[in-house]
Amino acid sequence: NAGVTQTPKFRILKIGQSMTLQCTQDMNHNYMYWYRQDPGMGLKLIYYSVGAGITDKGEVPNGYNVSRSTTEDFPLRLELAAPSQTSVYFCARRQKVRVSHEQYFGPGTRLTVT
Amino acid sequence: AQSVTQLDSQVPVFEEAPVELRCNYSSSVSVYLFWYVQYPNQGLQLLLKYLSGSTLVKGINGFEAEFNKSQTSFHLRKPSVHISDTAEYFCAVTPSNFGNEKLTFGTGTRLTIIP
Repeated sequence: NAGVTQTPKFRILKIGQSMTLQCTQDMNHNYMYWYRQDPGMGLKLIYYSVGAGITDKGEVPNGYNVSRSTTEDFPLRLELAAPSQTSVYFCARRQKVRVSHEQYFGPGTRLTVT
Repeated sequence: AQSVTQLDSQVPVFEEAPVELRCNYSSSVSVYLFWYVQYPNQGLQLLLKYLSGSTLVKGINGFEAEFNKSQTSFHLRKPSVHISDTAEYFCAVTPSNFGNEKLTFGTGTRLTIIP
């Protein structure tokens, strides 16, 4: 899992329900990211964080919230689930060093909203 | 802003044949380039990267890619594919100035190996 753990692996939500997707990394990396992957669309950045207490919006943040109270955890919150949020969600980590720019991805959470 | 174009959404190839997956990018600044592979029902795994130096970079599983600045391309190649190469491949780019933390991904190319 490249040092990134995501839970749950699968989830079905009803419209209007809320849930938190959990992401934990054990590499003490500063940077963490949340992406969603839709068929034929590649990965779209939802939110990212450059360190504990610091978060910023990505390309598609609407309908989501994040927090980063510790270096290890970066949960993604869906407050009012909508069918458009049916997707596969990936969390990733990255080191804050000049020589390393690659991101390491977790196994993903497959979410269905009906 | 950066953008990545992967023109081929699907590429079928016979086993042991060569393959090239195309990637073109657009950026007003210097960039670093990556290829990631996603096997079925798994997360993304780094295949190779170009940061600087030799424009021909070698990655895992026999893949290589060539950075062509004038054509703004970073095509992925393998001389002989195997069934286990069946996966989706994503090209990604990030500005090379440190402090920009985001990757921009292409829409992916699904490589299918035909026995």
